[in-house]
Amino acid sequence: GAVVSQHPSWVICKSGTSVKIECRSLDFQATTMFWYRQFPKQSLMLMATSNEGSKATYEQGVEKDKFLINHASLTLSTLTVTSAHPEDSSFYICSADRGGGTQYFGPGTRLLVL
Amino acid sequence: AQRVTQPEKLLSVFKGAPVELKCNYSYSGSPELFWYVQYSRQRLQLLLRHISRESIKGFTADLNKGETSFHLKKPFAQEEDSAMYYCALLIQGAQKLVFGQGTRLTINP
Repeated sequence: GAVVSQHPSWVICKSGTSVKIECRSLDFQATTMFWYRQFPKQSLMLMATSNEGSKATYEQGVEKDKFLINHASLTLSTLTVTSAHPEDSSFYICSADRGGGTQYFGPGTRLLVL
Repeated sequence: AQRVTQPEKLLSVFKGAPVELKCNYSYSGSPELFWYVQYSRQRLQLLLRHISRESIKGFTADLNKGETSFHLKKPFAQEEDSAMYYCALLIQGAQKLVFGQGTRLTINP
């Protein structure tokens, strides 16, 4: 149990376009979902914490208008990278917490902005 | 400040040898710590959580509040243990994790 999926697994887009990434908890309801960014050979950097039905809490330095998070239900959160630029190219990972503090991670989405 | 430090970026040991991956933390609250593992081309997955006091795949970790450490140990390393290991601290209230920089463990045959 505790499976988290992400879609798409990879995406290539042109500079200036917006990209939406979905994160779903498949077999449990997630009280909280998290979005991370991981640069090559580096650790995970938390971008924001997302709770169903409320606004996301962004970490310091993360532009909320750039990275829009919507948490529509207890099993779905989306991250939209708006007006993407090459510097937004990265590996984006979501996780979900079903309560208790343990996070279950998705497989990640690799974004390449040309 | 809330911080997790994994002093070794890379660690290489021979198969059958003991392995210890170091993790130190800084946190003013009651610490709750995790070890996550990422095998090649796979997602991050929970290895163990200190409150569960389990031994997973032969790994154990003891929380030492005096030394503010949560080192991961295994008495006899296996080749399949080669992976990236992350130590993480749960921030109470916010319920978010702070990750260390990770240690890449390589088990040599």
